[in-house]
Amino acid sequence: DAGVIQSPRHEVTEMGQEVTLRCKPISGHDYLFWYRQTMMRGLELLIYFNNNVPIDDSGMPEDRFSAKMPNASFSTLKIQPSEPRDSAVYFCASSPDRGSVLNTEAFFGQGTRLTVV
Amino acid sequence: GEDVEQSLFLSVREGDSSVINCTYTDSSSTYLYWYKQEPGAGLQLLTYIFSNMDMKQDQRLTVLLNKKDKHLSLRIADTQTGDSAIYFCAESISGNKLVFGAGTILRVKS
Repeated sequence: DAGVIQSPRHEVTEMGQEVTLRCKPISGHDYLFWYRQTMMRGLELLIYFNNNVPIDDSGMPEDRFSAKMPNASFSTLKIQPSEPRDSAVYFCASSPDRGSVLNTEAFFGQGTRLTVV
Repeated sequence: GEDVEQSLFLSVREGDSSVINCTYTDSSSTYLYWYKQEPGAGLQLLTYIFSNMDMKQDQRLTVLLNKKDKHLSLRIADTQTGDSAIYFCAESISGNKLVFGAGTILRVKS
């Protein structure tokens, strides 16, 4: 498996524009996580899904942020409208079902570096 | 609440031991983890410890867990320049949810 795949790797956009980040989890993994990493706040969990269903979105900062998982192999994180303070590295991660010993090991993608100017 | 705290920065000389400390809040965590992030990359699992263990050793890595104080540490013996990275402590909350600390930047001077 190629691992968790995120696109794009880098995104530069103007304030007010819509931004869509994409993630393909590892095949067979039932959990998908979206994290945001900044120098100021470290790594924050935004939302996670189990079997395509959002379980906990308490980390989503504002209504401008939304996430979807239309099927087991694809998820999006959308910011509309974007603001400069949204600039960060956004990571997607996936993990297998609880049946395994390391049932909560998360496999991370390489991240999308978002810059909003 | 859910909170994992770590010191932000550690600098050591090559060949010395590094100790990165972490405190967590959820006493029900089943597993506690150490992740490593190299520049420009995502996080990768480095090692983990089950909550009923006090210590786990894996080659140059030693993880110590003090459940009473909710304190976790990672010791890297004979630290190398390739160990320079950001190290994240994480606890599992309510099953598959992972809560990470802010990360400790380890700088290894040659």
